[in-house]
Amino acid sequence: LAKTTQPISMDSYEGQEVNITCSHNNIATNDYITWYQQFPSQGPRFIIQGYKTKVTNEVASLFIPADRKSSTLSLPRVSLSDTAVYYCLVGYNTDKLIFGTGTRLQVFP
Amino acid sequence: EAGVTQSPTHLIKTRGQQATLRCSPISGHTSVYWYQQALGLGLQFLLWYDEGEERNRGNFPPRFSGRQFPNYSSELNVNALELEDSALYLCASTQGGVPVNTEAFFGQGTRLTVV
Repeated sequence: LAKTTQPISMDSYEGQEVNITCSHNNIATNDYITWYQQFPSQGPRFIIQGYKTKVTNEVASLFIPADRKSSTLSLPRVSLSDTAVYYCLVGYNTDKLIFGTGTRLQVFP
Repeated sequence: EAGVTQSPTHLIKTRGQQATLRCSPISGHTSVYWYQQALGLGLQFLLWYDEGEERNRGNFPPRFSGRQFPNYSSELNVNALELEDSALYLCASTQGGVPVNTEAFFGQGTRLTVV
């Protein structure tokens, strides 16, 4: 499972776009990149998954450069309810679903 | 469609006792994962069950054990409880196959308090 590095925390204000970058220098050819969101005292929730270029859904966008050694989760116009911990997971043929320390996003009014 | 359900929601036990936590995966899902999350900390991988067998376990002592039943539901047992076992225990399920490539659905967790 590729090691991932994310910022420990980020602050933003309502209405702003938030970009959280995850570094995964040893990503393997078959690895996918997946992001989860976790609110306090709840289980994580799948946000988005991608392999290369850009993926967009109703919640977020995921940007993956050509070398795939990093990825950026983009949350457009955040609100207070987006305050949560965001986890980046990278892997393919793994026998564990391992979460790192994640990025704690705090959105202020 | 029902999500992943865990029971009980809260559990209070005395040090040295045993705790049993239960998880029902989403219908059609064959893989179940267990995690421990102490207050304010990250998710620590505990166990992975698929098709009734333990596929892998994290760095936890043997007093943490579990099983998966023919209907794919799962139990996590914690013996000889210690105060440090107090945490939120989360269960997740996937359709099986490669865990990182498939979306994992989490339950709301069981809050275990050891006093």
